[in-house]
Amino acid sequence: DTGVSQDPRHKITKRGQNVTFRCDPISEHNRLYWYRQTLGQGPEFLTYFQNEAQLEKSRLLSDRFSAERPKGSFSTLEIQRTEQGDSAMYLCASSLGGIRDGELFFGEGSRLTVL
Amino acid sequence: DAKTTQPPSMDCAEGRAANLPCNHSTISGNEYVYWYRQIHSQGPQYIIHGLKNNETNEMASLIITEDRKSSTLILPHATLRDTAVYYCIVKTVGLTFGTGTRLQVTL
Repeated sequence: DTGVSQDPRHKITKRGQNVTFRCDPISEHNRLYWYRQTLGQGPEFLTYFQNEAQLEKSRLLSDRFSAERPKGSFSTLEIQRTEQGDSAMYLCASSLGGIRDGELFFGEGSRLTVL
Repeated sequence: DAKTTQPPSMDCAEGRAANLPCNHSTISGNEYVYWYRQIHSQGPQYIIHGLKNNETNEMASLIITEDRKSSTLILPHATLRDTAVYYCIVKTVGLTFGTGTRLQVTL
């Protein structure tokens, strides 16, 4: 399967712990996006990368959140000192960029539950 | 950022056309309209996009009004597998999803 893959698919953690999610985009895609989705809501944009450069961050991305894409391929999203309000589905997407940068291919998501 | 307005839910009988409306009255001249859908427990799926002209692909048709203040996504022969939440989005960097329209296709 050459789609966007995310790992882990499910994560249960205790409040205060750190968690990290990984996203492997489609190989030729140079744009990578992170979204968060809570029950009954549409996905909320968090941040995106053009190759290894993080070009935009939403104000939703608090200081406890950090995202990296070190070699312009896979990306990680780390949440430090998790809070119960961080419980959500974290979605990764990638696109070719350019004139096709609105055609995002999403992964299945990583569901986080903070106890 | 232009905002969109969609009805929260719609029903459609299987085999009939599903017409999903979207208002985007504050859209700028160079902003595209994108449609995505999200089937339960899956990531969103790109359907189609357009700027001014009507567009058609293997999944759907997109009709954009001449003043570009609204659009309609048409699924010509809806099936049960088309049951999903459909999002109409005016393109910004990092697509801004609203709450969409929950389409229920029934027998």
